[in-house]
Amino acid sequence: AQTVTQSQPEMSVQEAETVTLSCTYDTSESDYYLFWYKQPPSRQMILVIRQEAYKQQNATENRFSVNFQKAAKSFSLKISDSQLGDAAMYFCAYRIERGGADGLTFGKGTHLIIQP
Amino acid sequence: NAGVTQTPKFQVLKTGQSMTLQCAQDMNHEYMSWYRQDPGMGLRLIHYSVGAGITDQGEVPNGYNVSRSTTEDFPLRLLSAAPSQTSVYFCASSFLQGGYNSPLHFGNGTRLTVT
Repeated sequence: AQTVTQSQPEMSVQEAETVTLSCTYDTSESDYYLFWYKQPPSRQMILVIRQEAYKQQNATENRFSVNFQKAAKSFSLKISDSQLGDAAMYFCAYRIERGGADGLTFGKGTHLIIQP
Repeated sequence: NAGVTQTPKFQVLKTGQSMTLQCAQDMNHEYMSWYRQDPGMGLRLIHYSVGAGITDQGEVPNGYNVSRSTTEDFPLRLLSAAPSQTSVYFCASSFLQGGYNSPLHFGNGTRLTVT
């Protein structure tokens, strides 16, 4: 079975500081995509960043960047200059590239608290 | 551009009742799916569809039915609601063409309570 593990149920960071959320996954597939989604209290699922497994270069989106280690099956999210609006649940997920359409496999999430 | 629209936002059912959660998208996405979100469990795939007339089961399909008669709509039916189906339900869609790097677009969710 393919799994995604987020080992930090909750993280807390001071506003303006940097925080890293960890994610590991287990798959036998070679082609896949990795995602981080943010879920604020509004319940909306918002795509933060994505990474193609065949690309070695780490993806970045403004203050958000990833550290993708394919051999270690690790996909951590770094948030720089944390802002109050970053407070949310963060979910790591992957999607397999193959003939089926199995959708996303999600981790259980990390609750990020921003201290003012 | 409405994106993915789910209705209703909230619903309370009694055990044994049936209901349909509606999902519509206006982005011409081939792929549509339903997830449920439970505390501490992340999101789990219930059913999905890769086009009109084609549906398949995900990780937790028991107790749910789906159909896909049009590209735009993908309703989820609970035939006989059980308390274990109390959850938040998300519909999500994406393109299939070009590979699976097409990110999923989510609706705003339906909070369902079964008493």
